[in-house]
Amino acid sequence: AQKITQTQPGMFVQEKEAVTLDCTYDTSDPSYGLFWYKQPSSGEMIFLIYQGSYDQQNATEGRYSLNFQKARKSANLVISASQLGDSAMYFCAMREASSGTYKYIFGTGTRLKVLA
Amino acid sequence: KAGVTQTPRYLIKTRGQQVTLSCSPISGHRSVSWYQQTPGQGLQFLFEYFSETQRNKGNFPGRFSGRQFSNSRSEMNVSTLELGDSALYLCASSWTDRVSGANVLTFGAGSRLTVL
Repeated sequence: AQKITQTQPGMFVQEKEAVTLDCTYDTSDPSYGLFWYKQPSSGEMIFLIYQGSYDQQNATEGRYSLNFQKARKSANLVISASQLGDSAMYFCAMREASSGTYKYIFGTGTRLKVLA
Repeated sequence: KAGVTQTPRYLIKTRGQQVTLSCSPISGHRSVSWYQQTPGQGLQFLFEYFSETQRNKGNFPGRFSGRQFSNSRSEMNVSTLELGDSALYLCASSWTDRVSGANVLTFGAGSRLTVL
């Protein structure tokens, strides 16, 4: 069964430093997508970055990059040059392409606190 | 372009009552998904609608139901409310990223339901 695991309930990082948020997944579908979302205290989920299972290169989006290690089934989010506004909950999610729907499985999230 | 709009944002109900939540997707989006978010269970998939048809349903009791209208607006209903139904209910519509081809969820701000 598909599953997403985020083992870090909370993380601290100093402003301007880089931080890595861990995510491992499990699926038997060869075609899937991996996503990271940010949820500030306001509650709205904000899409950050996507990695397809067949993508050869790691995805990058501004200060966000996804460290995709397919054999290890990991999709860690790297945030470079952390800012105070990065303090939020971060969720890793997966969608299996064969499902034919937009059903996502989410991890339990990591709460990131950026320190000034 | 307007985002996903959810109403009401906050509501308080008592056990045994029913509630209806509304979601207006981004214009042109035909798929609408609903998720329940609680501190204990995290983000759980409720159901997904596409062109007025329920395409997938999560593991929730029959008290949870939904529908989608011809203009893609969606409603979800919870009958005979229980204390455990207190949660943030998130609605999302999907779009396809032109660069990656990924089907990405865009979430609304959520409806926070408190059951007393």
